[in-house]
Amino acid sequence: DAGVIQSPRHEVTEMGQEVTLRCKPISGHNSLFWYRQTMMRGLELLIYFNNNVPIDDSGMPEDRFSAKMPNASFSTLKIQPSEPRDSAVYFCASRPRGGRNQPQHFGDGTRLSIL
Amino acid sequence: DQQVKQNSPSLSVQEGRISILNCDYTNSMFDYFLWYKKYPAEGPTFLISISSIKDKNEDGRFTVFLNKSAKHLSLHIVPSQPGDSAVYFCAASGGGNEKLTFGTGTRLTIIP
Repeated sequence: DAGVIQSPRHEVTEMGQEVTLRCKPISGHNSLFWYRQTMMRGLELLIYFNNNVPIDDSGMPEDRFSAKMPNASFSTLKIQPSEPRDSAVYFCASRPRGGRNQPQHFGDGTRLSIL
Repeated sequence: DQQVKQNSPSLSVQEGRISILNCDYTNSMFDYFLWYKKYPAEGPTFLISISSIKDKNEDGRFTVFLNKSAKHLSLHIVPSQPGDSAVYFCAASGGGNEKLTFGTGTRLTIIP
């Protein structure tokens, strides 16, 4: 079975550019989570969706960050304009029905470098 | 405010011996705890979980213990194998909140 698929795996771009990260959750999962991992702050939740609806975006650092989930099989995380401090590894995770006592399944992440 | 703490950044254990990874939490609303394992350039992989109604959960070589009064959980790996070398994260949720709060991780190295 395919796991959570993230693209691109690596992204290097100059500050000020728009960056779009993509995620395809596991089929049948109804919750999707976006995380950011940095040395300073570890793994922190940015936003999560249940049934394609954003539930909690309190972790989104600034208005420069936005996330969408137009359907059950696709989500994007967009940064516009990007800044060097956005450099991090971004993970997407999905979770099957059954609520929070079901484990989240992570993709392999997108390593983002903003020059 | 670090609500989930893993105070040991690294741990080295001889192959075949027991590995014990520790995690402390401060939020008394947490009632569900998980351990994840992470290899370089990969996403975290779920290992084992425990609900606050239990104090122990076992799955093969992995056992998680929960001490609610001390707000402490630990992961025991017996026997340790070279493939167990990875970074281990504990995570917690609770208070009606679906969010997972992660610790900073412990890098486990199994020495052959």
